[in-house]
Amino acid sequence: DTAVSQTPKYLVTQMGNDKSIKCEQNLGHDTMYWYKQDSKKFLKIMFSYNNKELIINETVPNRFSPKSPDKAHLNLHINSLELGDSAVYFCASSQDPHGVSQPQHFGDGTRLSIL
Amino acid sequence: EDQVTQSPEALRLQEGESSSLNCSYTVSGLRGLFWYRQDPGKGPEFLFTLYSAGEEKEKERLKATLTKKESFLHITAPKPEDSATYLCAVHLWGYGGATNKLIFGTGTLLAVQP
Repeated sequence: DTAVSQTPKYLVTQMGNDKSIKCEQNLGHDTMYWYKQDSKKFLKIMFSYNNKELIINETVPNRFSPKSPDKAHLNLHINSLELGDSAVYFCASSQDPHGVSQPQHFGDGTRLSIL
Repeated sequence: EDQVTQSPEALRLQEGESSSLNCSYTVSGLRGLFWYRQDPGKGPEFLFTLYSAGEEKEKERLKATLTKKESFLHITAPKPEDSATYLCAVHLWGYGGATNKLIFGTGTLLAVQP
């Protein structure tokens, strides 16, 4: 059983379009995240949600809007796609962030290519 | 500014040739340090968590150690299946509500040749 699953795996689209990426985790974790990995493999956090509440919102353009319908799902909607949005987007989840540091568990990523 | 630096960027080893990867950090307050392995086309896979200087963790051919300024991932007698990108990440105190923010290094690409 896949612990953190993302769809789609690949997304190729034109500049200016709007697209969504979906993420689901079956680990029973309270916190979910979106990361962006650029062409140099640098992984940077974008958002995190704890029990459907937005916790981290890095300096991400407001064209990016996360939505968490329940604590097992975190989707990412991107409006007016730009060339610079091309990257691999990873979803992750972890136990409650308070207390001892808990590892984050990642999905296999969505490779977004903007033409 | 909080920073995580990994070296070398890339490392090529012969099968059985032991070596170490380095993760150095300058942060305001370390809560935990994580090592991950990432295979091509896959997400990072959790390996270890280290919490305090002097701590060590082992798993098969891998051993992670932590000092106050850096962490090492020692690979003993590596096999070709150990080839991957190894990422370290630090979890910091003092981010207010953002208590589970990780800062990642840029990774070391390890290639083990038979």
